[in-house]
Formats: sequence, C-alpha cells, structure tokens
Amino acid sequence: SQQGEEDPQALSIQEGENATMNCSYKTSINNLQWYRQNSGRGLVHLILIRSNEREKHSGRLRVTLDTSKKSSSLLITASRAADTASYFCATVSDSSYKLIFGSGTRLLVRP
Amino acid sequence: DGGITQSPKYLFRKEGQNVTLSCEQNLNHDAMYWYRQDPGQGLRLIYYSQIVNDFQKGDIAEGYSVSREKKESFPLTVTSAQKNPTAFYLCASTPPVEGTDTQYFGPGTRLTVL
Repeated sequence: SQQGEEDPQALSIQEGENATMNCSYKTSINNLQWYRQNSGRGLVHLILIRSNEREKHSGRLRVTLDTSKKSSSLLITASRAADTASYFCATVSDSSYKLIFGSGTRLLVRP
Repeated sequence: DGGITQSPKYLFRKEGQNVTLSCEQNLNHDAMYWYRQDPGQGLRLIYYSQIVNDFQKGDIAEGYSVSREKKESFPLTVTSAQKNPTAFYLCASTPPVEGTDTQYFGPGTRLTVL
C-alpha cells in the first residue's frame, strides 16, 4: 500500500531557484521521512520529522509537517544541478515500524 | 550507500528460473528489508526481518522467499511463481536504536526477465 502521495510528480526549475515538494498521507503517523534517489541508485535519508514537530531544517532543506491536514512539504533552497534526483516521502505509523513510501517527485535542476 | 552491499548490480533471468539476490550489511543492524521499485514508482515492501531466524511478509511477498540465517545477510529469492519480476530491487537496514526508523539502503539490483 502507498500511503504518501507526492505532488508534483515532476518539477523542473532553474539553478538557484527554490524547489517545493508536497506529500499527503492518509493515516496517523509516528514520523515522516524524506529520501532522495539518484537515477538507478539506492535511497539516501535526508530528514525525519516526528508527529509532534512542525518544522525542521537541515542545511538547505526545510521540512514542515501539518498533522491536521496530513501533509508535509520539503523545500530545497538555492537549488543546484546536483540536486537533480527523485524525492520520496515515507511515513511510519503509530502501530507499525514499517516505512510506507509515496510515488516520488522527480526534480530536474537546469544549470 | 553506507555499509550495505547488493549483488549483482544487474541480473538477467530466463522465464521459469529462480534467482537469488544478495544483500549484506556490516553495520550491525538488526532489521533488514527488501523492496521492489517499478519505473516511476515508489517502493513496495516485499519482506522484512527484525532479528535473525525471523522474517515477515510485506505487501507483495507472493513469488518471493527470504532467509535470515545470519545478522549480516538477508538474501531474496525471486521464484518462477513471480509473474512479473522485472524491476529494481532495494535492500535496506535499520540500526538497533530505539526511536530511529531511518533506513539505510544498498545500491540496488536491477533484475530483467528475458
């Protein structure tokens, strides 16, 4: 089952611009995580936000969580060509430690 | 990709054959996972194991089998019963730290059925 759904499915921006990706989910969660995947590679963990947190920062990444709307957003500021990748949100529910992944947002940063 | 290795990187299988994908980790992680990824899609959980000699079915276990005889190893066998096995397979593990659900992924194996 896929709980998280990312929006948009694809995003193309110019280097230096900000990129915003959104994730919606259906059931209550313990935490929500964002991962990055370069083409043909494994996933790399970016950031984890817990259900009692509203915002978290890590370098050029900013994640927000709105549990009332069951949604999260990932903002990448001052994007670089090297940020080109697919970005996935994944949720962990209160009753399970399994990660449920969304279908991802494909980000293209044009130099 | 951390301390998780998957082999081979590319694998070709004829219809009707079983194939085994390797996943090894030297991170001392207890839990290990196998996912399947189809083009343009997210990851779907095949099997997972929280400790040695124990494993559980995920969302799409049919046509797959696993074993967990050692903490470091979690091989996945794709059997002939799996009707559409062509996909990208990812192995992951989680450290034994309470409250940490972060998963560490291997580089993946791309399986193609000829």
